[in-house]
Amino acid sequence: SAVISQKPSRDICQRGTSLTIQCQVDSQVTMMFWYRQQPGQSLTLIATANQGSEATYESGFVIDKFPISRPNLTFSTLTVSNMSPEDSSIYLCSVDYPQGTDTQYFGPGTRLTVL
Amino acid sequence: DAKTTQPTSMDCAEGRAANLPCNHSTISGNEYVYWYRQIHSQGPQYIIHGLKNNETNEMASLIITEDRKSSTLILPHATLRDTAVYYCIVRSYGQNFVFGPGTRLSVLP
Repeated sequence: SAVISQKPSRDICQRGTSLTIQCQVDSQVTMMFWYRQQPGQSLTLIATANQGSEATYESGFVIDKFPISRPNLTFSTLTVSNMSPEDSSIYLCSVDYPQGTDTQYFGPGTRLTVL
Repeated sequence: DAKTTQPTSMDCAEGRAANLPCNHSTISGNEYVYWYRQIHSQGPQYIIHGLKNNETNEMASLIITEDRKSSTLILPHATLRDTAVYYCIVRSYGQNFVFGPGTRLSVLP
């Protein structure tokens, strides 16, 4: 399986600030995904990020709030902008790996608390 | 919306087989059944997936009924480390993964 790392693993932030979460994978992958898991809830897909194109956002998520970068085939960032306490969640990235098998592998997650 | 129904929680004795059911009565012909699990404070872990034949790997077995309207994930010898939330997901190739609430499995000593 792919080895996926996320930075930071956790953070506590003040409302109104922004946090950028990094996702690094040890293999080149076409598709990377960002999910949110609110406290006590299941995972919700935020957006899909393909290298070289704009991210595709799911209903209820907008680029201004969650800008995503995908500069190469092994790296992506998700920024949570102008945070409020409602953004307190675990944010997870995943990758489509091995390519062509349509199986996703997940990173360890970033636990965000907004005060 | 999730296309599956799972029990909210289950208990299993350590060393015994854990059988986790999943109903997916509206599954279509090109949709696969996937299983993931999420151990507390970790990212989801892929377990197994199948289309219509039973599947087995080093982690688990997946039994899909002939009409494909339900399936069972079997952990043959559950350990305490198998305590987790187990997600059954139905999707076709290229579709997004939609996670429901899953089944919280507690393996008891």
